[in-house]
Amino acid sequence: QKEVEQDPGPLSVPEGAIVSLNCTYSNSAFQYFMWYRQYSRKGPELLMYTYSSGNKEDGRFTAQVDKSSKYISLFIRDSQPSDSATYLCAMSWYSSASKIIFGSGTRLSIRP
Amino acid sequence: GAVVSQHPSRVICKSGTSVKIECRSLDFQATTMFWYRQFPKQSLMLMATSNEGSKATYEQGVEKDKFLINHASLTLSTLTVTSAHPEDSSFYICSAYWDAGPKDEQYFGPGTRLTVT
Repeated sequence: QKEVEQDPGPLSVPEGAIVSLNCTYSNSAFQYFMWYRQYSRKGPELLMYTYSSGNKEDGRFTAQVDKSSKYISLFIRDSQPSDSATYLCAMSWYSSASKIIFGSGTRLSIRP
Repeated sequence: GAVVSQHPSRVICKSGTSVKIECRSLDFQATTMFWYRQFPKQSLMLMATSNEGSKATYEQGVEKDKFLINHASLTLSTLTVTSAHPEDSSFYICSAYWDAGPKDEQYFGPGTRLTVT
């Protein structure tokens, strides 16, 4: 069993839709949860991070962590074609100074 | 700020040769640098972690004699793939951690696409 499971998609939605991306994990020792966005043939860029269960909002993005279920989500409101990319969930034992375990990524396409 | 560059962006080499990839933090000092490998439609897999002036720590299954990592300064780390074979063809991405930075974040480079023929 992989430590982090993520549906690879692809996921295609119309512009303006709400997008929900999810990951599950097996290691309850993970304490730091992240979402990265990666455009084709580029390095990933950090979108959001959180240390705790609950919701964290940043503009059109909301990250949700449920440690009891070992489940994390990223919601994108009012999706735009520029949001089309691969989204990677990631987690670590205590911070970005240590090893990060990535999900396999979900390819998202926003149709104009 | 917090820009990481990689050079070259893509390289093609013949089987059996060695190739060096550079990773630089342009505007900060990186106490720790990480090297990842990403195969098509797969996730980033950590290969090794290096701290400036120390030997790199390799992940299980990564051959340290094949993937040589040098982190000689706080702004430069190099990955040398020795005696490359076609199965080493992949997207290699480095990241740098800035412990004095504003966020707890690894800053990723743009990646290097290696093709071994």
